[in-house]
Amino acid sequence: DTAVSQTPKYLVTQMGNDKSIKCEQNLGHDTMYWYKQDSKKFLKIMFSYNNKELIINETVPNRFSPKSPDKAHLNLHINSLELGDSAVYFCASSQGPRQETQYFGPGTRLLVL
Amino acid sequence: GNSVTQMEGPVTLSEEAFLTINCTYTATGYPSLFWYVQYPGEGLQLLLKATKADDKGSNKGFEATYRKETTSFHLEKGSVQVSDSAVYFCALSGEWGAQKLVFGQGTRLTINP
Repeated sequence: DTAVSQTPKYLVTQMGNDKSIKCEQNLGHDTMYWYKQDSKKFLKIMFSYNNKELIINETVPNRFSPKSPDKAHLNLHINSLELGDSAVYFCASSQGPRQETQYFGPGTRLLVL
Repeated sequence: GNSVTQMEGPVTLSEEAFLTINCTYTATGYPSLFWYVQYPGEGLQLLLKATKADDKGSNKGFEATYRKETTSFHLEKGSVQVSDSAVYFCALSGEWGAQKLVFGQGTRLTINP
């Protein structure tokens, strides 16, 4: 039973394309997150949703648009992909916005050529 | 703003050696502190946490003590195993809750048999 799952695991695409990454959690959590991990392993939060409502939006380009159809899903759509978008993207969830333990998905490795 | 600094890796040790990975932080108020571990090809997993000064978090033989006077949360293990090879992340969340986990840069640990 995978708690937090992401698809796809790997994504290789050309510059300028639009792509989506999906995330689902079966933990019954209210809050979900997207993180970006760069090539040096530095991990930084991008977005957070609580009960389908955006609560954190860090300084992320408008080309990145999260969508939460329900509280178990948080998808990430990226328009006009750039070389610098190459990274590993992690989805995570927590019981609530003030619950301290976050559960991470396995990551999606995005390579933009 | 809040920040976390970890000792630079990579760290290479022999099996059964003593491990210390240093972590210091800068934060306003009274943050909670965490260690996450990322095994090869996987997402992050919570290893241990401490929510107030002088608390000791422990799990799987790892320990870390929340030292407010030195703003530190060093990770230690008395006898490491090959299976401990991973990247270790120190993180903090502010007293405003876990909406934003701020991560250190990660320390890659390799244990040789």
